[in-house]
Amino acid sequence: QKEVEQDPGPLSVPEGAIVSLNCTYSNSAFQYFMWYRQYSRKGPELLMYTYSSGNKEDGRFTAQVDKSSKYISLFIRDSQPSDSATYLCASHFPNTDKLIFGTGTRLQVFP
Amino acid sequence: GAGVSQSPSNKVTEKGKDVELRCDPISGHTALYWYRQRLGQGLEFLIYFQGNSAPDKSGLPSDRFSAERTGESVSTLTIQRTQQEDSAVYLCASRLRVGQETQYFGPGTRLLVL
Repeated sequence: QKEVEQDPGPLSVPEGAIVSLNCTYSNSAFQYFMWYRQYSRKGPELLMYTYSSGNKEDGRFTAQVDKSSKYISLFIRDSQPSDSATYLCASHFPNTDKLIFGTGTRLQVFP
Repeated sequence: GAGVSQSPSNKVTEKGKDVELRCDPISGHTALYWYRQRLGQGLEFLIYFQGNSAPDKSGLPSDRFSAERTGESVSTLTIQRTQQEDSAVYLCASRLRVGQETQYFGPGTRLLVL
């Protein structure tokens, strides 16, 4: 079992839709969770960073962590074609600075 | 430059040859990471440098892989006797300091081993 699992997609939605991207993780010691966005032929860029359980909102993006079920989500409201990218979830190995990534979900928002 | 830069952007090599990949981190960033991203897979941690501390090499897949960093500047990832399974995008990231949450990634080097 991979430590961070993510459905690779692709996920195709119309402009304006609410998008839900999800990951599960297996290591209960994980505490910090991140979502990165990666455009084609670019490096990933940090989108959201959360600690432990709860929600964090930033504009159209909401990150949610449920530690009881080891489930992390990213919601995108009013999705735009410019949101088309691969979204990677990640967490820190406990007591290290090493990140472990999911495989990424490719999202396409069509006009 | 303002961001992390990597060179070359693309590299095609023959099986068995050695390759060197270069990363220029953001000036002043003390932490530097190398990752490998195979097609359809997530990023795989390779090695981590933090200041003058000994690097964390725990992610290097074999002894054909090595990396160096000069102080808090340029880093080079070397792959000796390349194999076809080494084909991937190699990404470098830097971070201002330990505990600061954001890693800034370069655009990557696309390596193809024929």
